[in-house]
Amino acid sequence: DTGVSQDPRHKITKRGQNVTFRCDPISEHNRLYWYRQTLGQGPEFLTYFQNEAQLEKSRLLSDRFSAERPKGSFSTLEIQRTEQGDSAMYLCASNSFLEGYGYTFGSGTRLTVV
Amino acid sequence: DAKTTQPPSMDCAEGRAANLPCNHSTISGNEYVYWYRQIHSQGPQYIIHGLKNNETNEMASLIITEDRKSSTLILPHATLRDTAVYYCIVIRRTSYDKVIFGPGTSLSVIP
Repeated sequence: DTGVSQDPRHKITKRGQNVTFRCDPISEHNRLYWYRQTLGQGPEFLTYFQNEAQLEKSRLLSDRFSAERPKGSFSTLEIQRTEQGDSAMYLCASNSFLEGYGYTFGSGTRLTVV
Repeated sequence: DAKTTQPPSMDCAEGRAANLPCNHSTISGNEYVYWYRQIHSQGPQYIIHGLKNNETNEMASLIITEDRKSSTLILPHATLRDTAVYYCIVIRRTSYDKVIFGPGTSLSVIP
């Protein structure tokens, strides 16, 4: 297993466009988390899934944001009508009940809205 | 809000031990202390965790006070590659609580 994979690593988009990011967690992990991180800040929780069920969403996740995990494996995070304030690093993490190392994070997708 | 407080920044001379403190005065009995670090433009990386006993692995040592209200991460021989932001967080391993990060400690290892 190669860990948590995120794609793309970098995305530059024009304001108003829609973007979609993908996260592939560690295969045996049933929990998947999305975080957003801006410069100089720690990661901020956005949402998480257990298998395909989305169990919690942060108030940071506005109506323009939607996340899915259709088959309980990979997940997508879509941002519609992007704004400059959406520019950030979007991090994905996964874990399982038996995992002793807390969370395993991916390398993130850096979004720049111009 | 994050349940931990850390100094915003620290410096350490290369080759010396880096001691990073963390306060978690409201920690519950079933919460573990985890440490992660984040090197620029990468995702956070697991370092070490503990409940109440001191722990050591190939990366670092974790010293937890007897009352569990604070801990110290020790990097025994800091190198330039240890320059990163270090996050101390508490997690209940019996649940799937989301992790709440604070701003962490930015460690600069100086040649």
